[in-house]
Amino acid sequence: EPEVTQTPSHQVTQMGQEVILRCVPISNHLYFYWYRQILGQKVEFLVSFYNNEISEKSEIFDDQFSVERPDGSNFTLKIRSTKLEDSAMYFCASRERGGVETQYFGPGTRLLVL
Amino acid sequence: QQQVKQSPQSLIVQKGGISIINCAYENTAFDYFPWYQQFPGKGPALLIAIRPDVSEKKEGRFTISFNKSAKQFSLHIMDSQPGDSATYFCAATSYGKLTFGQGTILTVHP
Repeated sequence: EPEVTQTPSHQVTQMGQEVILRCVPISNHLYFYWYRQILGQKVEFLVSFYNNEISEKSEIFDDQFSVERPDGSNFTLKIRSTKLEDSAMYFCASRERGGVETQYFGPGTRLLVL
Repeated sequence: QQQVKQSPQSLIVQKGGISIINCAYENTAFDYFPWYQQFPGKGPALLIAIRPDVSEKKEGRFTISFNKSAKQFSLHIMDSQPGDSATYFCAATSYGKLTFGQGTILTVHP
């Protein structure tokens, strides 16, 4: 069964450093998302991406964040200058097409900012 | 208005019992209501979902009941099993963005 994959599974970084989280969505999916989950809290929407551009972003997704689909398979989330409060689990999700609502989530990247 | 409120925060059920988790929403633009199951260290996995034009959907031991006028929906897990122990999130979406509830930690004792 096709699945969303994410790398790395864990990342530890120093405050102020840049991190790039990588995702490979399901191959025929057209809509891509990033969510985050701070430990013990609910999953929060960060950004949605369709047709090579951001379609919606949350208040959390400030200028420190960016997303990119550099090739036909990868979808990345970059945090330019990490803060302690960026420590969380980051999930990538993908959706097949308009009219099909189901989003499939990857296993997540646990980011720890020291 | 974008919130989805979920209760209870935690739930302990005996094996074979019924687990019930409730959610409420305010935004009438929401048009799809999935439930996700999450095991520790894993991503949320879709369990079952419903659209607001249907009052109930059943898949195996899992049933969603939906009350559009009250803006509430609930997940019922029949014959709960220890393997069902996980965190359950209700969610709602309009235009693709998922808004999640706070989550319910379900523990099923053998």
